Order: sequence, then C-alpha cells, then structure tokens
Amino acid sequence: DIQMTQSPSSLSASVGDRVTITCRASQNINFYLNWHQQKPGKAPNLLIYAASSLQSGVPSRFSGSGSGTDFTLTISSLQPEDFATYYCQQSYSAPLTFGGGTKVEIK
Amino acid sequence: QVQLVESGGGVVQPGRSLRLSCAASGFTLRTYAMHWVRQAPGRGLEWVADISFDGSNKKYADSVKGRFTISRDNSKNTLYLQTNSLRGEDTAVYYCVRESIVVATAATYFDYWGQGTLVTVSS
Repeated sequence: DIQMTQSPSSLSASVGDRVTITCRASQNINFYLNWHQQKPGKAPNLLIYAASSLQSGVPSRFSGSGSGTDFTLTISSLQPEDFATYYCQQSYSAPLTFGGGTKVEIK
Repeated sequence: QVQLVESGGGVVQPGRSLRLSCAASGFTLRTYAMHWVRQAPGRGLEWVADISFDGSNKKYADSVKGRFTISRDNSKNTLYLQTNSLRGEDTAVYYCVRESIVVATAATYFDYWGQGTLVTVSS
C-alpha cells in the first residue's frame, strides 16, 4: 500500500497568513494526488485534483503543486472559513489512501 | 444539483450486519464509479470499497475484505454497502463518494461526498 504522510499534523495561523501543507507519498504517484478540506461535523470537500487542478467553485487562494512523491497545498491568504482539516489522497493505485490530516487552527 | 444521501446506519451488536444505502440524484449514476469511505470518531479518512460504473469490478480494503460487499442498482440510482460480521473497529461515519476522471490523463478524484451515515458497533 502507498503511505501518505502529511506535515505538519496541525498548525496555528492568523487570517491573512500564507499557509503551506506538505504531503509525501511512499512511492512515485506521478500527479495522482488530490486535496480535500473537512470542517467539523461535515463531509470532506474536494479542493484540488490531479495535484494542481482547482475544483470548480473553490476559491483561487487555494493552489496545489508537486509530482512524484512530494506535494504541497498552499492557501495564499487564510480566510476565517478556511479553518478546517486538510487531507491529501492518492489515486495512483488501490487501495486508495489518505494522509493523516492537517488541522489548521486560529492563532 | 448532485446529491448523495446515505441511510441505514445505526447501533448494532458485534457480529451483526447492516446494509447501508446511498441514494444518488442530480446525475446519471450508471456513468460513474462509486466508493465508500469511512471515518472513525476523531480519526482520519479510510477508503473502504469501490465499484465500477456497471458493477462488474469491485475492490475492497483489506480491513473489510470478506465481510463487506459493495453493490449498486443503477435502475434505482442507489449504491449499497452490505456490512457483515461487524466489529468495534468498524464504528465510523460511512460516506458515499462519487468518482470523476480526467479522461486525458486517467486521473481520478472524489468530486462529491454524501453527508455520511453513522455506524456504531457496540454490545
């Protein structure tokens, strides 16, 4: 199975900050990497697919980059509604696997 | 608009069974592969199973293989997950998820999630 490792597991940031979350795959997954946002008590919501493609309706302050084993999700200017947990997920091979999550909290 | 509505969760004793359902609307179910993903309380996301658009191919996580069965009835726009021999570690919110694909690259992604249904396995 492909292991997905996110860092950090949590972070504190202020509104307006630039935030970067990293995801590392245990083997090469090309660009088959997606990012999801989850707010408490809610279902996850797709932000980025295929490493860098912005899902329709997602604000442009979210961006993704990377390929191979190392990927990044960036929020260019953190907004109040962005405080949530973020998960990376590989779609390269079964079983599909998720990172452990990064909780973004208010500083 | 696309909607996925799960049902069938509840409290069940270890060793018993539950059938989860997911009613799809706002799109043509028969043209999409579908998945179940679960989340134990306070934990991360775990992929459980998937099924091809026509039901001919199915895959399972090792943790549920031999106990869970994914199926679909495209005529009823419904996805199912039969969960047998339930264990405490199966306690989770179960999400029904639609898979979309970038045809040019074969990159797949989960573009719609249901609201989830809670399964609690406890004596």
